[in-house]
Amino acid sequence: KQEVTQIPAALSVPEGENLVLNCSFTDSAIYNLQWFRQDPGKGLTSLLLIQSSQREQTSGRLNASLDKSSGRSTLYIAASQPGDSATYLCAVANYGQNFVFGPGTRLSVLP
Amino acid sequence: DTGVSQDPRHKITKRGQNVTFRCDPISEHNRLYWYRQTLGQGPEFLTYFQNEAQLEKSRLLSDRFSAERPKGSFSTLEIQRTEQGDSAMYLCASSLDGVNQPQHFGDGTRLSIL
Repeated sequence: KQEVTQIPAALSVPEGENLVLNCSFTDSAIYNLQWFRQDPGKGLTSLLLIQSSQREQTSGRLNASLDKSSGRSTLYIAASQPGDSATYLCAVANYGQNFVFGPGTRLSVLP
Repeated sequence: DTGVSQDPRHKITKRGQNVTFRCDPISEHNRLYWYRQTLGQGPEFLTYFQNEAQLEKSRLLSDRFSAERPKGSFSTLEIQRTEQGDSAMYLCASSLDGVNQPQHFGDGTRLSIL
């Protein structure tokens, strides 16, 4: 059974810092890994999707990497801003179209 | 692209009542997913449709839960004889066909059982 964990559970940083969020998964038989952002009381916004054959994806200040063999992904956020404050979730797409989410990392960026 | 729409946004009901939620996906998306999310946790997969066909159901989806997508457009999720443990946010997502298409989420329906 696929299990997804995220470290840390919560993170508080001053504005301008670069930061790394971690995601681990137990079964490497995946199609892709997706990073999402969730604001309080809202749905999820897709940030980046990394296919299993890819090593990384970039969008603006965000960079996500995938090491499928070791079951790890990282989300790097450069020059953090208060508007980046949210919960960040990773999800893996298993063979069989079953999607498994991690519990999320709650990020606070202080002005 | 008007996004994924869910209705209602909030539902408060007494234990034992039936509730129904609606999801309207992005119009050209033929895949539709339902998830349940409790506080402090990531979403848990419930079920998935490709057009009108329900292709996968989680073990979490007990026989009190039923989902439909009759014409391959909007979908409904019904919970019968609600229980306290059903209190959660119910999220809908849609995507284009293909295993590497990103999912787009609605803002969810928050269910509270009194």
